[in-house]
Amino acid sequence: DAGITQSPRHKVTETGTPVTLRCHQTENHRYMYWYRQDPGHGLRLIHYSYGVKDTDKGEVSDGYSVSRSKTEDFLLTLESATSSQTSVYFCAISETGQEQFFGPGTRLTVL
Amino acid sequence: GESVGLHLPTLSVQEGDNSIINCAYSNSASDYFIWYKQESGKGPQFIIDIRSNMDKRQGQRVTVLLNKTVKHLSLQIAATQPGDSAVYFCAESRGNFNKFYFGSGTKLNVKP
Repeated sequence: DAGITQSPRHKVTETGTPVTLRCHQTENHRYMYWYRQDPGHGLRLIHYSYGVKDTDKGEVSDGYSVSRSKTEDFLLTLESATSSQTSVYFCAISETGQEQFFGPGTRLTVL
Repeated sequence: GESVGLHLPTLSVQEGDNSIINCAYSNSASDYFIWYKQESGKGPQFIIDIRSNMDKRQGQRVTVLLNKTVKHLSLQIAATQPGDSAVYFCAESRGNFNKFYFGSGTKLNVKP
């Protein structure tokens, strides 16, 4: 999977708790992305990063924050998880901002 | 890996036949398009891309056609194989290559 790992791979949490998902790459690509995938919606962009400390919002950013303090790591935080954030989360990386390589995904369940 | 069970339109083809998967996009400002393949339990995988200044692009066993007049994109897979069974997504970008909008996907089922 192009040197991308996501952790954890599965998580079950309760409403109102904070959750952080980690994406780690070994490709030294500039761009990193967080998507969520839900039935009937395909993939939707949450946030993306175009460099260390440089991030921007995507299509569905409400309730999520991100941080990128190193090239290789991109963190997605749900400050107070809600049931509507139950989803499969994918991280992706890109060298040019065009072709993207996706990680294996994290299944998050918020009870 | 992870996948999401989706109630998707399904295309069933016989092994060896050609497959055509279609995608309609809504924004005439979209200028870059990608097709992805997602196998069960895995993340999406890049197949082929095309820019809006092109009508057709060919890869290995795959061809993407773009009709800007009717805002339609298609993916043709030649000599479909069982390993092609997956969900296929089109994605469009509008000016900013970092923001992609994905379609809901089509499931391709290849019968041996």
